[in-house]
Amino acid sequence: QVQLVQSGAEVKKPGASVKVSCKASGYSVTNYYLHWVRQAPGQGLEWMGIINPSAGSTSYAQKFRGRVTMTRDTSTNTVYMELSSLRSDDTAVYYCAREGGSGNLWYFDPWGQGTLVTVSS
Amino acid sequence: IQLTQSPSSLSASVGDRVTITCRASQDISSYLAWYQQKPGKAPELLIYGASTLQSGVPSRFSGSGSGTDFTLTISSLQPEDFATYYCQQLNSYPSTFGQGTKLEIK
Repeated sequence: QVQLVQSGAEVKKPGASVKVSCKASGYSVTNYYLHWVRQAPGQGLEWMGIINPSAGSTSYAQKFRGRVTMTRDTSTNTVYMELSSLRSDDTAVYYCAREGGSGNLWYFDPWGQGTLVTVSS
Repeated sequence: IQLTQSPSSLSASVGDRVTITCRASQDISSYLAWYQQKPGKAPELLIYGASTLQSGVPSRFSGSGSGTDFTLTISSLQPEDFATYYCQQLNSYPSTFGQGTKLEIK
């Protein structure tokens, strides 16, 4: 069964960093691209970036460039998302999601269960 | 690429036929997916390629459209369908989502 399991909730102070993990099971993480999406409380979905776990290459949304770093550890089948210089408006649930499909049939599935990151002094 | 969903919220009854629309700010061919999200849960894929039903998703869900105008239709609402629905474009990065449509029980 293909599954993405994320690390637990975090509480951070403004200016700190957070690192969220996303462990893949049921498949090799190097075979599919992984995306990160966040959702602020009561708000919609916001794409943050993508990592190619095979090559380690990344592409980030302009909004997060300079603050976000996506990495992978192929030995543990895990991908990481680190966000630095946290602000109160970074309070959100952070999701990882596997990219699937081919041709024009692309999609995100499955998704991790989400990790709540709360930024508060 | 901006995606605009309408309506933002919708009240309907069990058994109703419901249609949600998603309009893209530029041509995205058929690079569109639809997701359902329930409170406290991750989004779940319903439809991709604008009209291809994900395995395991009930056939009362259907999608159509190409270019800039897309629709998600639920033919006969069931109690478990009351949720928020999002469209997503995968034509180009950054991938973007519509603002969501909250489907509530009338």
